[in-house]
This record gives sequence, structure tokens and C-alpha cells, in this order.
Amino acid sequence: EDQVTQSPEALRLQEGESSSLNCSYTVSGLRGLFWYRQDPGKGPEFLFTLYSAGEEKEKERLKATLTKKESFLHITAPKPEDSATYLCAVSSGGSYIPTFGRGTSLIVHP
Amino acid sequence: KAGVTQTPRYLIKTRGQQVTLSCSPISGHRSVSWYQQTPGQGLQFLFEYFSETQRNKGNFPGRFSGRQFSNSRSEMNVSTLELGDSALYLCASASGTGNYEQYFGPGTRLTVT
Repeated sequence: EDQVTQSPEALRLQEGESSSLNCSYTVSGLRGLFWYRQDPGKGPEFLFTLYSAGEEKEKERLKATLTKKESFLHITAPKPEDSATYLCAVSSGGSYIPTFGRGTSLIVHP
Repeated sequence: KAGVTQTPRYLIKTRGQQVTLSCSPISGHRSVSWYQQTPGQGLQFLFEYFSETQRNKGNFPGRFSGRQFSNSRSEMNVSTLELGDSALYLCASASGTGNYEQYFGPGTRLTVT
């Protein structure tokens, strides 16, 4: 059974204070690792897909990286509008339906 | 390209009633998945429909059912509502082949009283 663990559960940053969110996973044959952003009361917004160890993707202040056991979402010089819950999910060869982590709630103070 | 739409956005129902939620996927996408999201359990997979057939199913009781139409639109039904069914119900659209990037709708907030 696929397992996804995200840490920390909550993170408070000052505007401009860079940090990283962690997603540890256990799967049988990774098909893809996905990052989403979710604002309160809304559906998750797709950010990135990573397929293999060593892969990196960037979008504005966000950069996602992948190893064989975990993924990091690096946030560089965050702004208050980056405040949201960030969800990680994995899709595996066993069942390609993504399994989601519980998310990291990020608050960026001005 | 239009995104995923869900209707209604908000619903208030009474215990014992039933409810039907609707989802229209992104044009060209043939896979529709349904998720239940609660603060205590996070995102939990209900089921997936692909080309009008249920292709995958999560661990939810038979009170939760769904269907998909030939235009890929999907409906989810919950019968005999319980207080614990109060949640945000999310629909996710995907091509259904190759990678499995899912694109979510805004959700339907269901409150059972």
C-alpha cells in the first residue's frame, strides 16, 4: 500500500524567509509524484509532476525536487499570497490512483 | 480551456436524505475521480470512472455511488445521509491514460444536519 507523509504539518514564515516542505513516500513502482496547492474552501490546484529521482521543476518562487524516497518543495522568498496548504500525492504501478498526504499548512506573514 | 465544474457548490441536507452531486470534467478528459475531504481524514478516494465504467473504488460504504455519462460528465450519489458525511466533495478530471495528473474542481460543500 502506498504511503505519503508530509512534514511539517504547519509552517509559519516571515515574508522573504525561504524554507522547504517535505514529502516522504513509500510506493511500489513510482509512476509520478504530484504537488498541489489548496486554498481554504477550494479545490487543489495542480503545481508539478515529478517522475524520476533527480528531476526538478520550478514555477515562480516554488521549486520541487525528487529523490527515491522523498520530495521537497522549496519556497524562495515567499510572499503572503503563497499562504495555502500544500499537498503531495503519489501514483504507483500498483494503483495509479494518487494517494495523498495530509498536507502542510503554510502561513507567510508580511 | 474550461476547467472542472461542480454543482451545486453548497448543500445542506438532513440525516436520512439522499443527495446527488454533479461534475463536468475538462474537455477531452475521460477519467473522473471523486474524493471526500474532511479536516480529520484529509483527502480520501471514493471512486474513479473512465469511459462510463467504474475503474477503481475506495473503501467507502455502498451508500456512496456514482456514474458517468457518454459525455464524461459524472454524478455522485449519497443515500441515507449521516452526520459524518459532512465534507467537501471534490471531483478530479484526468486524461485517464499515461501520466495521472488530476485537475480538481472547486468542490461541493455538503453539510448534514
